[in-house]
Amino acid sequence: NAGVTQTPKFQVLKTGQSMTLQCAQDMNHNSMYWYRQDPGMGLRLIYYSASEGTTDKGEVPNGYNVSRLNKREFSLRLESAAPSQTSVYFCASSLNQGLYAEQYFGPGTRLTVT
Amino acid sequence: AQKITQTQPGMFVQEKEAVTLDCTYDTSDPSYGLFWYKQPSSGEMIFLIYQGSYDQQNATEGRYSLNFQKARKSANLVISASQLGDSAMYFCAMREGSGGFKTIFGAGTRLFVKA
Repeated sequence: NAGVTQTPKFQVLKTGQSMTLQCAQDMNHNSMYWYRQDPGMGLRLIYYSASEGTTDKGEVPNGYNVSRLNKREFSLRLESAAPSQTSVYFCASSLNQGLYAEQYFGPGTRLTVT
Repeated sequence: AQKITQTQPGMFVQEKEAVTLDCTYDTSDPSYGLFWYKQPSSGEMIFLIYQGSYDQQNATEGRYSLNFQKARKSANLVISASQLGDSAMYFCAMREGSGGFKTIFGAGTRLFVKA
């Protein structure tokens, strides 16, 4: 089992460029999440998908869009990148949205916007 | 309002000693879950331990235990017999039943284990 995979691992963008971060899980999980991690701030939820076909905003959704392509895949799109979006992005999944559902994380994507 | 507070930006511990990492939380929801994650320098997030708000006993997982004091709204992580490989960032997190099951993370504590 690969668990949660993310591509790319590193990316440098110029301001205004667009890109899509890809995430896939092979654990047959229903719920998937996108977080960003900035120094001194822990992880903040960008968007999540409770189940296939649904997506909801998290704490910091501005400047991002998501697509739950199927049960396995959940992508994050930056339409017009800004320096403030320089961060490490983590995708995660959990079996369901239950209170006790443990989240499994991908290895992260380090994005720099110049 | 900050819902998860980790007041120790950095902690040092001698190898083989125990260490406590502090976490306080704020919620009015009677149903919630508390998590601890470890993030080594390689960057991945590793789940360590979970405590539910209705659990009567403190959670334990190997060398990790969670000191859950509900009235004080604290959920401190205790690592016994520290090892050099325990050097990492540690994050406390909470999930509320009424919050759409979104998980909120604290800012983290960096632990340094000295040989």
